[in-house]
Amino acid sequence: DIQLTQSPSFLSASVGDRVTITCRASQGISSYLAWYQQKPGKAPNLLIYAASALHSGVPSRFSGSGSGTEFTLTISSLQPEDFATYYCQQLNSYPRTFGQGTKVEIK
Amino acid sequence: QVQLVESGGGVVQPGRSLRLSCAASGFTFSDYDMHWVRQAPGKGLEWVAVISYDKINKYYADSVKGRFTISRDNSKNTLYVQMNSLRAEDTAVYYCAKNSVVGVAGGVDVWGQGTTVTVTS
Repeated sequence: DIQLTQSPSFLSASVGDRVTITCRASQGISSYLAWYQQKPGKAPNLLIYAASALHSGVPSRFSGSGSGTEFTLTISSLQPEDFATYYCQQLNSYPRTFGQGTKVEIK
Repeated sequence: QVQLVESGGGVVQPGRSLRLSCAASGFTFSDYDMHWVRQAPGKGLEWVAVISYDKINKYYADSVKGRFTISRDNSKNTLYVQMNSLRAEDTAVYYCAKNSVVGVAGGVDVWGQGTTVTVTS
């Protein structure tokens, strides 16, 4: 099975900050990676698919990059509504594993 | 609008069974692969199972293989998961989710609100 490791697991940031979250795969997955945002008590929402494609309706301050084994999710200017937990998921093979999550909190 | 509504969760004793359902609306259900994803209390997301749009292919997480069975009824726009031999570690919110219109590389683009399963004696 492919393992995904996110870093950091926890991030404290201020409104307006640029935030970067990394997701590393245990083996190459080309660009088969998605990013999700989850707020407490809610279902996740798709942000990015195919490593860098912005899902419909997602603000342009979110961007994704990477291929192979290393990927990043960047929020260019953190907004109050962005404080949440973020997960990466590999789409290369089954089981479709998730990273352990990165919680973004207000500094 | 596109919607997924799960049902069937509850409190069950270890070793017992439960079947979850997910009613889909607002899209052509029979065109999409469908997934179950779960989240234990205070933990991260865990992918559970997928069934192809045509019911031919099914894949499972190792943690549920042999105990859970995913199925679908395209005439009823409904996804199911039959959960047998339940364990305490199966306690979680279970989400039904639709594969992206983009295909394999698209991830999951629609999620239900989740249904809670608690396995306890």
